[in-house]
Amino acid sequence: QSALTQPASVSGSPGQSITISCTGSSSDVGGYKYVSWYRHHPGKAPKLIIYEVNNRPSGVSDRFSGSKSANTASLTISGLQAEDEGHYYCTSYSSTTTLVLFGGGTKLTVL
Amino acid sequence: QITLKESGPSLVKPTETLTLTCTFSGFSLKTSGESVGWIRQPPGKALEWLALIFWNDDKRYSPSLINRVIITKDTSENQVVLTLTDVDPTDTATYYCAHAPPGYFFRWFDPWGQGVLVTVSS
Repeated sequence: QSALTQPASVSGSPGQSITISCTGSSSDVGGYKYVSWYRHHPGKAPKLIIYEVNNRPSGVSDRFSGSKSANTASLTISGLQAEDEGHYYCTSYSSTTTLVLFGGGTKLTVL
Repeated sequence: QITLKESGPSLVKPTETLTLTCTFSGFSLKTSGESVGWIRQPPGKALEWLALIFWNDDKRYSPSLINRVIITKDTSENQVVLTLTDVDPTDTATYYCAHAPPGYFFRWFDPWGQGVLVTVSS
């Protein structure tokens, strides 16, 4: 099964808001609440920033929020800061033989 | 606090078998619901899920690698081992292990280890 679909890149200026989409199917994103988002800087461990569609782990800024509509999940970052730059990945549980699906990743550039 | 750390060779020759170890602390794979997964990232490419092992020894694999990958656990040592057979240069990647919180379904990975870069080359 192919990966979840994310835009390859997004950009925004400091203070602006951006949204990253993550499109799957009814067998994964659309059918379950188990969508999570990670920020990844090269050479470092990926960091969980959203779990179960719209929940933030302790210590994650409330500038990060998640949502879902049908088969598409979204990550919104408000009040962009330079430190938000990096790669963002979505993940979902899948009821198919591929238990865990990752998105192709989105590179966020803060202009 | 949960921590995980990957270890293994940095260089493997084509056709050889790659064995990676994830040593963790802060939880036990004897505890109902707990699981550990392996994920990799080839240079310049996206993250790719490889395998997941549950507390009850249930194992799940990525269909793309199911013929070459094995995941096992040693609960007494708090370790999870990933074995990948017949490697080739496309298996060059940073390999991560990660904790998945208890649940009937896969829910999310948190935290992750720092990763280990493995290069497949003769």
